[in-house]
Amino acid sequence: EIVMTQSPATLSVSPGETATLSCRASQSISSNSAWYQQKPGQAPRLLISGASTRATGIPARFSGTGSGTEFTLTISSLQSEDFAVYYCQQYNNWPPTFGRGTKVEIK
Amino acid sequence: EVQLVESGGGLVQPGGSLRLSCATSGFSFSIYWMSWVRQVPGKGLEWVANIKQDGSEKYYVDSVTGRFTISRDNAKNSLYLQMNSLRAEDTAVYYCVRDVSGSYPGWGQGTLVTVSS
Repeated sequence: EIVMTQSPATLSVSPGETATLSCRASQSISSNSAWYQQKPGQAPRLLISGASTRATGIPARFSGTGSGTEFTLTISSLQSEDFAVYYCQQYNNWPPTFGRGTKVEIK
Repeated sequence: EVQLVESGGGLVQPGGSLRLSCATSGFSFSIYWMSWVRQVPGKGLEWVANIKQDGSEKYYVDSVTGRFTISRDNAKNSLYLQMNSLRAEDTAVYYCVRDVSGSYPGWGQGTLVTVSS
């Protein structure tokens, strides 16, 4: 199965700054990747699919880039509600797999 | 509004069985693949199983193959997961999710399954 490796495990950022999260696939997955946000006690929420397409209702400060094996989620001008855990996922190969997550915390 | 509401979780002994249900509304259930995704509390996400729109195709992660069965009732807009021969490592929150070409834009609130003696 494809392993999704996220880095860093924890990212400390001040409100208003930009957060850059990385995800690497163990083999090429084209653009078949997604990003999810999860807050404590809540279900994950889809942010990005197809590597760069924002889901319905997702603010423009969230952007995704990448293809092949390297993917990036950028959160510009971090708001208080953006501090959460972020997961990447691949759905190019069976079975679909997730990364272990990056926690974005307040610096 | 898209809603997915899971039920059926609880405490069960190793080797026991549970049936999870997911009632959906707010979207055309019958035209979507549906999946179950689980999460050990405090840990990451793991896809468990999915099912085609008409139920003719079903796929499972290796660790549950032969023990879990996914099914759906399009007339009731509902998804199910029959879990047999449960193990401690199956302890997790189980989410019902709407599957759109492999990504998951709709999630339920989850139901906790605890396998313990």
